[in-house]
Amino acid sequence: EDQVTQSPEALRLQEGESSSLNCSYTVSGLRGLFWYRQDPGKGPEFLFTLYSAGEEKEKERLKATLTKKESFLHITAPKPEDSATYLCAVQANQAGTALIFGKGTTLSVSS
Amino acid sequence: EPEVTQTPSHQVTQMGQEVILRCVPISNHLYFYWYRQILGQKVEFLVSFYNNEISEKSEIFDDQFSVERPDGSNFTLKIRSTKLEDSAMYFCASSEGSRYGYTFGSGTRLTVV
Repeated sequence: EDQVTQSPEALRLQEGESSSLNCSYTVSGLRGLFWYRQDPGKGPEFLFTLYSAGEEKEKERLKATLTKKESFLHITAPKPEDSATYLCAVQANQAGTALIFGKGTTLSVSS
Repeated sequence: EPEVTQTPSHQVTQMGQEVILRCVPISNHLYFYWYRQILGQKVEFLVSFYNNEISEKSEIFDDQFSVERPDGSNFTLKIRSTKLEDSAMYFCASSEGSRYGYTFGSGTRLTVV
């Protein structure tokens, strides 16, 4: 069964304290791995898509990397406005275009 | 920036009633989706729609649910005979292609009482 597990469930950081969020996946052939940001009461906001092991994408303070078993979302020098829930999702070959989501990591950044 | 628009933002309905959730996807997108998120749980796939027909659906999307694209802009999710466990945030999403990131709407919070 295709599965996505994110850790930690919650992460508290001080402003400027860099860290990484983990997404490990088990799928029957990966078509793509997606990172989203979700603010309370809102829909997920697209951040990155990664397609193959070794690929990296960057956007401002965020950098996503991908291996054959997991993806990391690195947050460099976070600011309070980076506080949100970060969702990882995979698209598997046998699942067509449907996304399988993890439970997310809730990040809180304090100043 | 183009966005996916969902209405209403919040709907309260009595158990057993029918509800229709509405979405306006991004105009040049080809794939349309409905997902739901029960409070405190994962975002779950319901159905995908391409070329005016359902292309995939999950086990959740049973005979109680239906989708329609009644015109060139709207995309609707109908839930017949709502149950308490249908209470959730329902998200519409659209994408340009099957391997592109989706754009999600802000969601409709459905409360069944």
